[in-house]
Amino acid sequence: GENVEQHPSTLSVQEGDSAVIKCTYSDSASNYFPWYKQELGKRPQLIIDIRSNVGEKKDQRIAVTLNKTAKHFSLHITETQPEDSAVYFCAASPSGNTGKLIFGQGTTLQVKP
Amino acid sequence: DTAVSQTPKYLVTQMGNDKSIKCEQNLGHDTMYWYKQDSKKFLKIMFSYNNKELIINETVPNRFSPKSPDKAHLNLHINSLELGDSAVYFCASSLGHNTEAFFGQGTRLTVV
Repeated sequence: GENVEQHPSTLSVQEGDSAVIKCTYSDSASNYFPWYKQELGKRPQLIIDIRSNVGEKKDQRIAVTLNKTAKHFSLHITETQPEDSAVYFCAASPSGNTGKLIFGQGTTLQVKP
Repeated sequence: DTAVSQTPKYLVTQMGNDKSIKCEQNLGHDTMYWYKQDSKKFLKIMFSYNNKELIINETVPNRFSPKSPDKAHLNLHINSLELGDSAVYFCASSLGHNTEAFFGQGTRLTVV
């Protein structure tokens, strides 16, 4: 069935270092891959997304890469700051015109000052 | 001018009770959703509505009944609440398939 695996479950980095979170998906027909950030007690909010006709997308310190052949996509955060500390979720939109998202298990990122 | 708003934010109730959560979006989106976030933070879709019509029911027990009076509102009614229903429930909306989902602030339901 539809599944998204996300690793690692927790990630601790020093301020200024880079952080990488990886996801794999099962439905080869998926073609939309958003990343959401959820701060403690808050709602998930989109930080970046990528569609299957693009291999890489960058927005300031955040970048996402997509390998459709391997069914694998990753989030890269450079020059991390304490305010980047949050839970990050990858997601995939499976086939079928439903709009639903299948989320990964989440990665708790801690940026130490 | 909140885009997706849901009420209440917190809900504490006893087992066996019936409760409702309301959701409204002012983004003009056609599609609305209910997601459940469990204690391990896992986000899982429950329902999806498009223009007031149910398009997804992800094997949710029939104690959960969504209702969409119009495309700006999607309410969730839960009958005979059980301890395992305790979670944070998020309403969301989007323009449609393969577009950003905007989430409400969540409703933390605690069943005691």
